This record gives sequence, structure tokens and C-alpha cells, in this order.
Amino acid sequence: GDSVTQMEGPVTLSEEAFLTINCTYTATGYPSLFWYVQYPGEGLQLLLKATKADDKGSNKGFEATYRKETTSFHLEKGSVQVSDSAVYFCALFDNYGQNFVFGPGTRLSVLP
Amino acid sequence: EAGVAQSPRYKIIEKRQSVAFWCNPISGHATLYWYQQILGQGPKLLIQFQNNGVVDDSQLPKDRFSAERLKGVDSTLKIQPAKLEDSAVYLCASSLSGRARDEQYFGPGTRLTVT
Repeated sequence: GDSVTQMEGPVTLSEEAFLTINCTYTATGYPSLFWYVQYPGEGLQLLLKATKADDKGSNKGFEATYRKETTSFHLEKGSVQVSDSAVYFCALFDNYGQNFVFGPGTRLSVLP
Repeated sequence: EAGVAQSPRYKIIEKRQSVAFWCNPISGHATLYWYQQILGQGPKLLIQFQNNGVVDDSQLPKDRFSAERLKGVDSTLKIQPAKLEDSAVYLCASSLSGRARDEQYFGPGTRLTVT
């Protein structure tokens, strides 16, 4: 079945450090890929998405590129801020099976 | 635009009791999702509605969980009887049409503790 694997957290970085959170997936069909973020005390929010191979999603300084050859969708940001502290979830929508699957989440803590 | 509303926000019950959660999606959104998020894990889809019909309920434990979406708007999720392992946050989300390009908007969730 479909699945999403993320790097284990927590990830702790200093402000202005470079961020990478790895995400790889297994899907039956040709999925669309997403990153969702959950800030402390808030609900899940869509951060960015990519719907086909080589697409790059970007938002709020975060980027992720859909790599079909490596089945990956790694999240990156060049300079993190304290306000980026949150839990980040990688997810896929399998356009063949029409189901939505989330990864386990990676907690990011950014220290001033 | 009002977001997805859920109630209650918190619920504590004893095992074998029953409980119900309510969700009001964003106006005009045809697709409604219920997810279960156990502590430390990602959300797991329980059931997906398109208007008032069920699209996917393959991961819903049907011996104890039930859900309905009358008139294609509000939805309720019920657990009867509850087990300890049902302790989790229950998230409701809605989207315009359920296609991959449509963003899912999540409610704040209901945190259930079963003792």
C-alpha cells in the first residue's frame, strides 16, 4: 500500500541555519505530494505542494522538489526562524487509489 | 471565511462508553474527511465523504466507529464502545471537491482520552 517515510525528529537548529527534512514515499499510482505544518496550538495547514515530477512547491521560504526517480520530496529552507518551530508532515494523494496518506511528522525546534 | 469547526475540543470518557464528535465544514465544500491522529503519529484517514455519500471508509473500524453526513453539510463521528487505544485527536477536514489540487482545510481537532 501507499506510505510516506520522514526523517525522525526532533530536529533542533539555531536561527538562520539551513533546514532539510527528508521525505520519501511509496505509491501505487502517480501521487501528488504535500507538506503540511502544525504550529503549536493550531490546526494543520498546507505549506506547499507539487502535483507532478520535477515540480517545485514553495511557500514562506520553504521549497520541495518532486523527484520521481528517487521517490522523494525533501523540504528545505535556507534560513530558519524561531517562528518556524512546528511539526512538519509530508503527505501524498494517490491519484490512482484516490487516498490521502500522511507521514509520521517531524518536530522542528529553532533556537534563538 | 469561517474555517472548519469541531466540537467538543476535549473529551474524557471511560472505556466501553460512547462518544460523538461534530464537524461543520467550510461552506460550499463538497468533500469532508475524518482523521485519527494518535500522539506522535501522522493523521490516518478514517472516512471520506463526497457530499453525503461515502467515498472511502476502508480504515474505519466499523464494529465500533460510525459516521454520517446528513444533507451533505455537517458530520458526526461516533465511537461505541470506546477502547483505550481510541485515545487520539480526531481531525475533521474539508475541501472543495476532493481532487488532489484542492487544499484540505483542517479543523482544530477533538482530543479524546479514554481511561
